[in-house]
Amino acid sequence: DAGVIQSPRHEVTEMGQEVTLRCKPISGHNSLFWYRQTMMRGLELLIYFNNNVPIDDSGMPEDRFSAKMPNASFSTLKIQPSEPRDSAVYFCASSRPASGSSPGELFFGEGSRLTVL
Amino acid sequence: AQSVTQLDSQVPVFEEAPVELRCNYSSSVSVYLFWYVQYPNQGLQLLLKYLSGSTLVESINGFEAEFNKSQTSFHLRKPSVHISDTAEYFCAVSEIVGGGKLIFGQGTELSVKP
Repeated sequence: DAGVIQSPRHEVTEMGQEVTLRCKPISGHNSLFWYRQTMMRGLELLIYFNNNVPIDDSGMPEDRFSAKMPNASFSTLKIQPSEPRDSAVYFCASSRPASGSSPGELFFGEGSRLTVL
Repeated sequence: AQSVTQLDSQVPVFEEAPVELRCNYSSSVSVYLFWYVQYPNQGLQLLLKYLSGSTLVESINGFEAEFNKSQTSFHLRKPSVHISDTAEYFCAVSEIVGGGKLIFGQGTELSVKP
């Protein structure tokens, strides 16, 4: 089975440009998470969706960031306009519906490395 | 709100030596606990998890972690490490009633030297 697929793997852009990161979760998973990883701040949860509905976006840094999940098989994270401090690795993860009292394991993509010059 | 503190940012160790990676958490509600591993240029993979029952949990590659509720700790141990264990290790916590989101610690870089 294919894992979580993220694109692009690497992106270099200039300050002020729009950046769109894409994620295809594992089929059958109903939760999707966007994380950002930097040396200074570690792994930060930006936003997560259950059944395509945003549940918690309190980690989204500011209005320049937005995320959508139009259907169960696709999500985007958009940064407009981008700034150098947005440079990081952005991870998407998905999980199965929790069964009983057991939470679903998160399956991570390989990440999108963003560099904003 | 929950938080996770990994007490060591880097742990250098020689091959075949034992290792302990420390993790403490803070939460006002009951939680699940996890350890994830990240190899260079890859995403995170689940290493082991504590949900309930026995406080000692094991992974398939020889790691184990013990949940200590009184000390709010979930330290990761391995009695004898291999070069291939070199990676970054993340401790994470999830509220039992919380939609499944994980809060991660800062990570511990394990470097195994020959």
